[in-house]
Amino acid sequence: DMKVTQMPRYLIKRMGENVLLECGQDMSHETMYWYRQDPGLGLQLIYISYDVDSNSEGDIPKGYRVSRKKREHFSLILDSAKTNQTSVYFCASLGGRAEQFFGPGTRLTVL
Amino acid sequence: SQWGEENLQALSIQEGEDVTMNCSYKTYTTVVHWYRQDSGRGPALIILIRSNEREKRSGRLRATLDTSSQSSSLSITAAQCEDTAVYFCATDISGGSNYKLTFGKGTLLTVTP
Repeated sequence: DMKVTQMPRYLIKRMGENVLLECGQDMSHETMYWYRQDPGLGLQLIYISYDVDSNSEGDIPKGYRVSRKKREHFSLILDSAKTNQTSVYFCASLGGRAEQFFGPGTRLTVL
Repeated sequence: SQWGEENLQALSIQEGEDVTMNCSYKTYTTVVHWYRQDSGRGPALIILIRSNEREKRSGRLRATLDTSSQSSSLSITAAQCEDTAVYFCATDISGGSNYKLTFGKGTLLTVTP
């Protein structure tokens, strides 16, 4: 069963704390993505990963970094979180025929 | 239309009606994706249309693509309550080299009984 998972689903942090969002996929897809989605807006691309240790900035990388040490696992890290990073974060992986498979999202609140 | 500076658009129709959502894009693309997002869930691809297709159908869905006007549309025939969702169009602006999608702001479709 093709699946993208995200943990945690909900997270509340204080400003200045570090945040780790995790994403997994069981489809052996090489390319994975992190997006954020704010109310009324589309998805904004933060980072793309083309495979293990092969990452590229998206449109809004400032304040974020990523780690991909295994093909099936892609992490998004916020060092010293800011209140404007409150958002819903989605991970996706790229399948054949150009379809992106999305996870269920992580709702992050930074107080 | 989803692109430009406008916010999320909203459409409300009754069950059984037909509806068309439009998308215009700024950068040349050879493929337009249409994704659907249900409340509290991640987006899911519902139809993908390439520049050599002009029109594509999948069940009650019909997508069109006009590369000359840089626009695409998604139509739903005989809408049902379960079609209520946000619909996004997305284009690949990377030219197929690194597959980076740009998403529109979406259309919130509400279908009422």
